[in-house]
Amino acid sequence: KQEVTQIPAALSVPEGENLVLNCSFTDSAIYNLQWFRQDPGKGLTSLLLIQSSQREQTSGRLNASLDKSSGRSTLYIAASQPGDSATYLCAVAGGGKLIFGQGTELSVKP
Amino acid sequence: SAVISQKPSRDICQRGTSLTIQCQVDSQVTMMFWYRQQPGQSLTLIATANQGSEATYESGFVIDKFPISRPNLTFSTLTVSNMSPEDSSIYLCSVEWRGGFNEQFFGPGTRLTVL
Repeated sequence: KQEVTQIPAALSVPEGENLVLNCSFTDSAIYNLQWFRQDPGKGLTSLLLIQSSQREQTSGRLNASLDKSSGRSTLYIAASQPGDSATYLCAVAGGGKLIFGQGTELSVKP
Repeated sequence: SAVISQKPSRDICQRGTSLTIQCQVDSQVTMMFWYRQQPGQSLTLIATANQGSEATYESGFVIDKFPISRPNLTFSTLTVSNMSPEDSSIYLCSVEWRGGFNEQFFGPGTRLTVL
């Protein structure tokens, strides 16, 4: 059974800092991995999707990497801003469905 | 990408009643999904809704409690039946976008509180 873990559960950083969020999964037989952002009480916004054959994807200040063999993905956020404050969720796709981690709650202080 | 809307955005309901949540997509999609997010928790898949067939439910979820309709390729409904306070959650629909390597896009969610 696929299990997805995100570390840390919460993170507080000063504005301008670069940061890394971690996601690990137990079954390497995944189709793809998605990173999402969720603002309080809101739905999910898709940030990046990495196909199983890819190593990384970039969008603006965000860079996501994938190492299937070790069951890990990281989301790198450069030059963090207060507007980046949200919960970040990773989800792995396999067997026709997404399995979510518990999320990392990020707070960027001005 | 797909633009997804949900109705209602939030509701407060009495124990024992039922609520139907609507999900509308701006383009035709094959796969639609319904998730539940309990307070302070991550998302759990309730069921997969494909047009023209019965919904497929995940372990722990049953059709009598969460009946789903999928009348066409742009619309689905989820009903939460005979509600109890434990059903208080955010309910989200999502769609799988074939044009983007099966990327999933989510609606804004329906925040349900059961008293």
